[in-house]
Amino acid sequence: DAKTTQPTSMDCAEGRAANLPCNHSTISGNEYVYWYRQIHSQGPQYIIHGLKNNETNEMASLIITEDRKSSTLILPHATLRDTAVYYCIVRMYNQGGKLIFGQGTELSVKP
Amino acid sequence: GAVVSQHPSRVICKSGTSVKIECRSLDFQATTMFWYRQFPKQSLMLMATSNEGSKATYEQGVEKDKFLINHASLTLSTLTVTSAHPEDSSFYICSARGRRTEAFFGQGTRLTVV
Repeated sequence: DAKTTQPTSMDCAEGRAANLPCNHSTISGNEYVYWYRQIHSQGPQYIIHGLKNNETNEMASLIITEDRKSSTLILPHATLRDTAVYYCIVRMYNQGGKLIFGQGTELSVKP
Repeated sequence: GAVVSQHPSRVICKSGTSVKIECRSLDFQATTMFWYRQFPKQSLMLMATSNEGSKATYEQGVEKDKFLINHASLTLSTLTVTSAHPEDSSFYICSARGRRTEAFFGQGTRLTVV
């Protein structure tokens, strides 16, 4: 699976949009981009995934660049409860669901 | 999202004893389940992958005789930590995936070996 690079930490003001970047320059054509988050001492929570088109659901939006070498997860109106570690993971969709976690981005939403 | 329940959430055991952790998919059939371990301030590390009715596939460096995984049904997988030692103290997390679902995670089990 392609390796991803994310900033170690980010801050965001409550009510503002949180934009979390991820680089995956070695992604191959059949690999998807997945985002999960982990709130302290809990199991990870699925957020969103995409292949090449931008995606939106009730939690977030995923913007994937045209060359697919990077993506951005957008939380449109961050709340204090969005404080968590966010993981960007790249894998093939049907590869048994195996997810390999990197270090992620620690997002702190501040009042 | 789909619900994955993990039990117990916390367990303390004596060194040398065995501990069993259960992972259940409550509203879907989990064809594949995964077990992870997470040490403080670190990311999740995949330990093994199990498919229903098959032997688990362990990641490199994970002792299969120490971490016994059973996936006997489409809704239940168990991880047994045998002859536990203090260095096995960690946060253990299961994940389950069905045929058309993403991987969903349990709430984790905090194991402390004393």
